[in-house]
Amino acid sequence: DAKTTQPPSMDCAEGRAANLPCNHSTISGNEYVYWYRQIHSQGPQYIIHGLKNNETNEMASLIITEDRKSSTLILPHATLRDTAVYYCIVPSNTGKLIFGQGTTLQVKP
Amino acid sequence: KAGVTQTPRYLIKTRGQQVTLSCSPISGHRSVSWYQQTPGQGLQFLFEYFSETQRNKGNFPGRFSGRQFSNSRSEMNVSTLELGDSALYLCASSSPGRSQETQYFGPGTRLLVL
Repeated sequence: DAKTTQPPSMDCAEGRAANLPCNHSTISGNEYVYWYRQIHSQGPQYIIHGLKNNETNEMASLIITEDRKSSTLILPHATLRDTAVYYCIVPSNTGKLIFGQGTTLQVKP
Repeated sequence: KAGVTQTPRYLIKTRGQQVTLSCSPISGHRSVSWYQQTPGQGLQFLFEYFSETQRNKGNFPGRFSGRQFSNSRSEMNVSTLELGDSALYLCASSSPGRSQETQYFGPGTRLLVL
C-alpha cells in the first residue's frame, strides 16, 4: 500500500505558485520522499527528492516538515505545461516505487 | 546522456498471443524496473533486474516474466495475453544498483490486446 496521502485534485492559476501537499506520517528516519509527475500518456518524470532538509532544483522546491510527517512540493511559477498528475512517493526499502493516485494539478490561464 | 528508451512504442496483439517489450537503460545504469499502468489499477510494480538477476517482484501472475542482459538492457515478456493486459508498460532505470537511487522512466510501450 502507498505510504503517502495526497489530495486528488488541485487548481492553480498560470504564473502563480502551485503548492502540492503530501502526508507521509509513517515515514521512517532513513526513508526519502520522492516526487514525480506524469503528463498525459507519458512516462513519469522525476522532479525532486529529499530526506529532511528542504531541497530546490531547477524544476521545484521541496519543503519537508521538521517531524518529516508531511511535505509540500512547490512549483514557483506554474505554466500550462505543468498540468499533470503529481505523485509523492516513499520508496520501499527495496527501492520499489509504490504509486498512489497522486494529485491532478490543473493549471488554468 | 540519452534517456531510457523503450521499443516498440505501440503494439496491438490478440488474446492468446505473447509479446516481448524491450528497454534500454540510461548509460551506466545497472538496475531496470518494470511497471504496468492501467486506468483501473494505476501504476503497479512488476519486477526489477540488477546484474542480470531478478531482485524484486510484484504481485503479477507467472505469465509476466523478464530478463536482463549483460549490457543492462532488459526485456519483459507476457505470454497468453488477456484483454486485461492492455496497458502502458513502463521501464525505469537507476544507477548503479543501490535501492534508494532515483529511477528515471522511459516513454512506455502502449499495448492493446484485442
